[in-house]
Amino acid sequence: QSALTQPASVSGSPGQSIAFSCTGTSSDVGGYNYVSWYQQHPGKAPKLMIYEVTNRPSGVPDRFSGSKSGNTASLTISGLQAEDEANYYCMSYTSSSTLVFGGGTKLTVL
Amino acid sequence: QVQLQESGPGLVKPSETLSLTCTVSGGSISGYYYYWIRQPAGKGLEWIGRFNTREFSDYNPSLKSRVTMSLDTSRGQFSLRLISVTAADTAVYYCARDDTGIGSAAIYWGQGILVTVSS
Repeated sequence: QSALTQPASVSGSPGQSIAFSCTGTSSDVGGYNYVSWYQQHPGKAPKLMIYEVTNRPSGVPDRFSGSKSGNTASLTISGLQAEDEANYYCMSYTSSSTLVFGGGTKLTVL
Repeated sequence: QVQLQESGPGLVKPSETLSLTCTVSGGSISGYYYYWIRQPAGKGLEWIGRFNTREFSDYNPSLKSRVTMSLDTSRGQFSLRLISVTAADTAVYYCARDDTGIGSAAIYWGQGILVTVSS
């Protein structure tokens, strides 16, 4: 299975809104509403931020939101904060009953 | 509060078997999907596979021939076995649990354990 495609890096200033993309195919992202997003700070375990495309686990700020259009899912952070600087990974269910991650995007808060 | 803790040897010799255990605390182990996920140093996350208490399992196709997962509900433990390891299997290994009931998102994570494959 091929990894989902994410941009290697994005950057933004505090207070801005930024969006991360996660592109797959009709056999994964486009075919199911089972895309999740994870935040990982250096040296730490990943943390679930969004599941089933749009759902936020309890405790995750509502500044984080998810969406999907066709074969591309997106994670949007509004009101960017310094502590949001981290790596972000998407993951999708696939038609082979497996899960696949994206390569990850490094967010830099300027 | 659900907690997961990985344990096992930090060093495995090439061609040998990597065996890790994930101990689940803070509630019942039954009724959920459990995952193993790994991350080589400086690289992205790789999904290894999932297993649930009905002994339903799926594995990453690239690892399927070498991976076995199991669940010991009496001990509250979830295990990974990876045979014929090489240096490419050196990574931080995470266990995780999915409480969505669907098997599509890792909600709770362990802290991770570094496994190095070297002679």
